[in-house]
Amino acid sequence: QLQLQESGPGLVKPSETLSLTCTVSGGSISSSSYYWGWIRQPPGKGLEWIGSIYYSGSTYYNPSLKSRVTISVDTSKNQFSLKLSSVTAADTAVYYCAEWPSGYWGQGTLVTVSS
Amino acid sequence: NFMLTQPHSVSESPGKTVTISCTGSSGSIASNYVQWYQQRPGSAPTTVIYEDNQRPSGVPDRFSGSIDSSSNSASLTISGLKTEDEADYYCQSYDSSTVVFGGGTKLTVL
Repeated sequence: QLQLQESGPGLVKPSETLSLTCTVSGGSISSSSYYWGWIRQPPGKGLEWIGSIYYSGSTYYNPSLKSRVTISVDTSKNQFSLKLSSVTAADTAVYYCAEWPSGYWGQGTLVTVSS
Repeated sequence: NFMLTQPHSVSESPGKTVTISCTGSSGSIASNYVQWYQQRPGSAPTTVIYEDNQRPSGVPDRFSGSIDSSSNSASLTISGLKTEDEADYYCQSYDSSTVVFGGGTKLTVL
């Protein structure tokens, strides 16, 4: 059974870059059986897809965030990462990593954008 | 842009059956798989249905998913409602290679 765990700073200053890592256990991140993604949830609001990455390395991003987002994979560490640049208070949210198609999710990590 | 529309809230009594709908704005919802997630307050979402109607291990068979092409909708049905089923439920599908979430439905069991 897959397990996913997010890690990274809980506080980021406006205009800086938010960086998070998702560590995967119980399966290989380079397996063709899975693909991976990041989702966020602002306080009191719904789920917003940020982007996904496939075993081939192909990436797909939410058009509304595409200019600021980079998702990458580190197969040696069985991790994938999110970078979101030029953050503002509107980027304050709980950030989740997840797997498809089976639908495993991490527990989420709250990132607050504030000076 | 493809959108998924869910009712904002539904309520039902314990022991009853409730169905939550998820309507696609365009195209055919049957063309891509639909997932359903349950999110209890203060917790991360968990998957209750994947690939339209598949239940992950550990999810009771009181949860079922279906697709109705005639209404371009997916549905999550929960039978034998329990108070522990009270949560937000989100549907999710795809538009080309992008992931789309519905706005979520708050289920109250009273």
